[in-house]
Amino acid sequence: QSALTQPASVSGSPGQSITISCTGTSNDVGEYNYVSWYQQHPGKAPKLMIYEVSNRPSGVSNRFSGSKSGNTASLTISGLQAEDEADYYCSSYATTNTKVFGGGTKLTVL
Amino acid sequence: EVQLLESGGGLVQPGGSVRVSCAASGFTFDSYSMSWVRQAPGRGLEWVSTISTRGGSIYHAESVKGRFAISRDNSKNTLYLQINSLRGEDTALYYCAKGMESGWYYLDFWGQGILVTVSS
Repeated sequence: QSALTQPASVSGSPGQSITISCTGTSNDVGEYNYVSWYQQHPGKAPKLMIYEVSNRPSGVSNRFSGSKSGNTASLTISGLQAEDEADYYCSSYATTNTKVFGGGTKLTVL
Repeated sequence: EVQLLESGGGLVQPGGSVRVSCAASGFTFDSYSMSWVRQAPGRGLEWVSTISTRGGSIYHAESVKGRFAISRDNSKNTLYLQINSLRGEDTALYYCAKGMESGWYYLDFWGQGILVTVSS
């Protein structure tokens, strides 16, 4: 199972909005609405930010939103804050009961 | 408060074996699927294995099939990963993670990880 494709890096200034894309195939993102997004700060465990394409777990800021179109899912962070600087990973359920992650995107807040 | 505490890693020789464990607390352990996810140094996340609530369903990544075995002991609230025939590329931080009721593929709580280093 190949990894989902994410940009290696994105950046934005405080207060701006950014979007991270996550491209899969018809075997994962395109077939199922089982996309999730994780935030990982250096030296820390990942944290679930979005599940089921666009749902936020309790406690996650509403500045984080998710969407999907075809084989591509997206994570948008609005009102960028310094604390948002981290690595972000998308993930999807894939055929034959497997799970695949994207390669990760490093977000820099300028 | 949900807590997941991994243990059992360390330095292992190529071809060797190791078992990592994850002690869970703060939730009804036998009501949720559990997974292992690994992260090689400086690399991204890689899903490894998942086990259902009672162990009746087990899923493995293709890259570890035949070498890794996931199991759980609900009486001890503990998740295990037996890793055999270790290779250099298995060197990684191994995280245990709790699945959600919405689906085993959503991991809402993670441990801090345990490092397994494969080297002679």
